[in-house]
Amino acid sequence: GNSVTQMEGPVTLSEEAFLTINCTYTATGYPSLFWYVQYPGEGLQLLLKATKADDKGSNKGFEATYRKETTSFHLEKGSVQVSDSAVYFCALRKSTDKLIFGTGTRLQVFP
Amino acid sequence: SAVISQKPSRDICQRGTSLTIQCQVDSQVTMMFWYRQQPGQSLTLIATANQGSEATYESGFVIDKFPISRPNLTFSTLTVSNMSPEDSSIYLCSAVTDSVNTEAFFGQGTRLTVV
Repeated sequence: GNSVTQMEGPVTLSEEAFLTINCTYTATGYPSLFWYVQYPGEGLQLLLKATKADDKGSNKGFEATYRKETTSFHLEKGSVQVSDSAVYFCALRKSTDKLIFGTGTRLQVFP
Repeated sequence: SAVISQKPSRDICQRGTSLTIQCQVDSQVTMMFWYRQQPGQSLTLIATANQGSEATYESGFVIDKFPISRPNLTFSTLTVSNMSPEDSSIYLCSAVTDSVNTEAFFGQGTRLTVV
């Protein structure tokens, strides 16, 4: 079946450090891929998405590229801020099927 | 996009009672979902709320425990019945606006504590 695997957290970084959160998926066909972010005490917000192979999603300095050959959708940011501290969820969805989430990765950024 | 309002935002309930959570979307959506997020965990899909018919439940969730209604294209409710402390979680409503735009939008969640 379809599934998403994320790297374990927490990820602890100093401000302005480079961020990578790994995400790989298992799915038949060509799912859409997403990164959602959950700030403390809040619901989920869509951070970025990619709907086909080689697409790059980007938002707020975050980027992720849909890699069909490695079934990956790693999240990157060149310089993190304290305000980026949150839990990040990788997810996939095929057409009208349900959204499947990874386990989430907590990011903690210190000044 | 869609803006989803959930209420209540939080509640503390006695065991054995029931709580109904409401989810209102500001535009018509094709699909609505209910998720549970236990403390420090990822999201688990409870069910897909179908307009005008019975919800479609995921494995491990049953209608008697989590009855769901969706009377129209913008509104749904989830009831957590006969609650126990194990039901303490965040419950999230989600919606998809159309079959082409595959992203899902989420409400702010309802933080439920059962004592």
